[in-house]
Amino acid sequence: ETGVTQTPRHLVMGMTNKKSLKCEQHLGHNAMYWYKQSAKKPLELMFVYSLEERVENNSVPSRFSPECPNSSHLFLHLHTLQPEDSALYLCASRDRENTGELFFGEGSRLTVL
Amino acid sequence: AQKVTQAQTEISVVEKEDVTLDCVYETRDTTYYLFWYKQPPSGELVFLIRRNSFDEQNEISGRYSWNFQKSTSSFNFTITASQVVDSAVYFCALSDGNFNKFYFGSGTKLNVKP
Repeated sequence: ETGVTQTPRHLVMGMTNKKSLKCEQHLGHNAMYWYKQSAKKPLELMFVYSLEERVENNSVPSRFSPECPNSSHLFLHLHTLQPEDSALYLCASRDRENTGELFFGEGSRLTVL
Repeated sequence: AQKVTQAQTEISVVEKEDVTLDCVYETRDTTYYLFWYKQPPSGELVFLIRRNSFDEQNEISGRYSWNFQKSTSSFNFTITASQVVDSAVYFCALSDGNFNKFYFGSGTKLNVKP
C-alpha cells in the first residue's frame, strides 16, 4: 500500500465512449503525475501537476484531458480514444520538498476496443 | 535530450544466482538524479534507490548493490543471491535537478526460478 489509489483498476471502453480515471493520494503530497505504460516501451510522462497547476503537458493528444481539482485528486478524462491508447495508466505523487521519490498507484489497465 | 536505455528486456535466472541489470542514460544536465524502481505483478512501482550526479560512491543495501559510473553514463543494479520474490520488472529513471520530470527506461523483466 503506497498511499496512492487508482480507480478503476480495469476499464474496457469503445472508441466513442467517454470515461475517466481517478487517482487519489493520502500522503499530503503536492505534485502529481500521469504516466502511460505500454509493453516494452519506456514509461511515457503525460502530465505533471504541481500545487494543482499543470506544469507539464508532454505533447499528449487532446483526447486525454487531465484535471486536478485539489492536491489530493487527479483525474484523466478520456474521449474518442484509439486502440493504440490501450495501456496501463499510472498515477504518481511526490512531496515537492523531498528529494525526488515518486509514489505510484497500482495503475488502471485500459483496453480500447 | 534526456534518455534512459535498459537494453535487457527480460532476464531469467535460477534462485541464488547473482544478476546485474544494466542502465545507460543520456543527459546534458550537470546536476541530475538516477533512480531504480521495482514493479511487482500488482502494478505499483516501488522506489529502491536514488543517486545524485555528484556522488559516484557505490551503494550496497542487503542483497542489492548499485554501480554508478559517470564515465560510461551507467547506473547498474546487481542482486546477489537472487530469490523468487525478486521477480518483477525493474525500471531505471533519470530526473533533472528540480525533479520536475522523470524519464524512465523500458524496464527489465527479471524472472527468478526456484
